[in-house]
Amino acid sequence: QKEVEQDPGPLSVPEGAIVSLNCTYSNSAFQYFMWYRQYSRKGPELLMYTYSSGNKEDGRFTAQVDKSSKYISLFIRDSQPSDSATYLCAVIPGGYQKVTFGIGTKLQVIP
Amino acid sequence: NAGVMQNPRHLVRRRGQEARLRCSPMKGHSHVYWYRQLPEEGLKFMVYLQKENIIDESGMPKERFSAEFPKEGPSILRIQQVVRGDSAAYFCASSPRERGSEAFFGQGTRLTVV
Repeated sequence: QKEVEQDPGPLSVPEGAIVSLNCTYSNSAFQYFMWYRQYSRKGPELLMYTYSSGNKEDGRFTAQVDKSSKYISLFIRDSQPSDSATYLCAVIPGGYQKVTFGIGTKLQVIP
Repeated sequence: NAGVMQNPRHLVRRRGQEARLRCSPMKGHSHVYWYRQLPEEGLKFMVYLQKENIIDESGMPKERFSAEFPKEGPSILRIQQVVRGDSAAYFCASSPRERGSEAFFGQGTRLTVV
């Protein structure tokens, strides 16, 4: 079983739609949960970072963690064509440990 | 403050040659992480280094791969006797302290083995 499972998509939505991206993870020891955005041929950039359970909001982006079901989500409101990218969920047990990434979901926002 | 700098951005090597990938961390960052991204796979951790020390190399293949982060100069990921399966994007990330969650990524080096 993979440590982090993520549907690779692709996911196509019209501009202005609400996007929901999801991952599940297997190890209850994971404490840090991140979402990265990766444009084609570029390095990943950190979007959202959550410790333990709960919600975190930053502009049009909301990250949710449900540790009871080992489920993490990223919501994008009022999606824009510039949001078209691959979104990687990531987990980390605690401290410095190596980041474990999902395979990434490719999102396309159509004007 | 420049970001994490990786060079070269693209590298072509023939089978059996050596590949050297360089990573200059952000100013003030003394922690470096290397990841590999293969087609149809996610980013996979390879190695975590601090200045002059390898802290965690659990993701490194046992043979042909090595990494260093000297006191002076960039971190180097070295692949000896490259094979076609080594073709991938290699990303370096750096952080100011021992937190992978705080690391910033470089733009990557795309290695193609022909």
